[in-house]
Amino acid sequence: GAGVSQSPSNKVTEKGKDVELRCDPISGHTALYWYRQSLGQGLEFLIYFQGNSAPDKSGLPSDRFSAERTGGSVSTLTIQRTQQEDSAVYLCASSPRLAGIPYEQYFGPGTRLTVT
Amino acid sequence: AQSVTQLDSHVSVSEGTPVLLRCNYSSSYSPSLFWYVQHPNKGLQLLLKYTSAATLVKGINGFEAEFKKSETSFHLTKPSAHMSDAAEYFCVVSSMTTDSWGKFQFGAGTQVVVTP
Repeated sequence: GAGVSQSPSNKVTEKGKDVELRCDPISGHTALYWYRQSLGQGLEFLIYFQGNSAPDKSGLPSDRFSAERTGGSVSTLTIQRTQQEDSAVYLCASSPRLAGIPYEQYFGPGTRLTVT
Repeated sequence: AQSVTQLDSHVSVSEGTPVLLRCNYSSSYSPSLFWYVQHPNKGLQLLLKYTSAATLVKGINGFEAEFKKSETSFHLTKPSAHMSDAAEYFCVVSSMTTDSWGKFQFGAGTQVVVTP
């Protein structure tokens, strides 16, 4: 079946502009996650959605970052007034949410953001 | 609290020789453990997972890992490396408790180079 998809695959933007990154999870997956992967920084958790709610948004680096999820499906990560330090690969993942055990996460190919 | 340490940032092996990637974890509760692989410019792919069943876990592409509670380790092995194994590998720990939704804690990654 279809995996997690993300768009765009690459985004180049000027410092100060706003960007929106999109994630389409695997159909039926109730949990959705955003991560940031920077060179030399590893994988950094940003936010977790269960359905349309975000029980954990503790990883969002600043108030310039926000995310929403609608219909329990598509999610958008928005970065306002982009800065050069926002340049990174943004990864989205989804998983079913069965009670009791952490379920494996399925990752999309990522969006490479470059802020010039 | 939980954490994961990948003991080698880089591993170089010859094609056809064994691969060993070392991972130690810390968790206050019974953890679930995962290994993911990331090929260049790709998303993360699940290799295998441990969720309190058999301690020796077999995954895709000939990889396996053994959960050793006494050593708090979850090392990844493969008997014979292939050129296509060149990638970055991430060890992940996750614990689901009344206070934790099972957030993934990623190791820093191990870059594997395979030489002919």
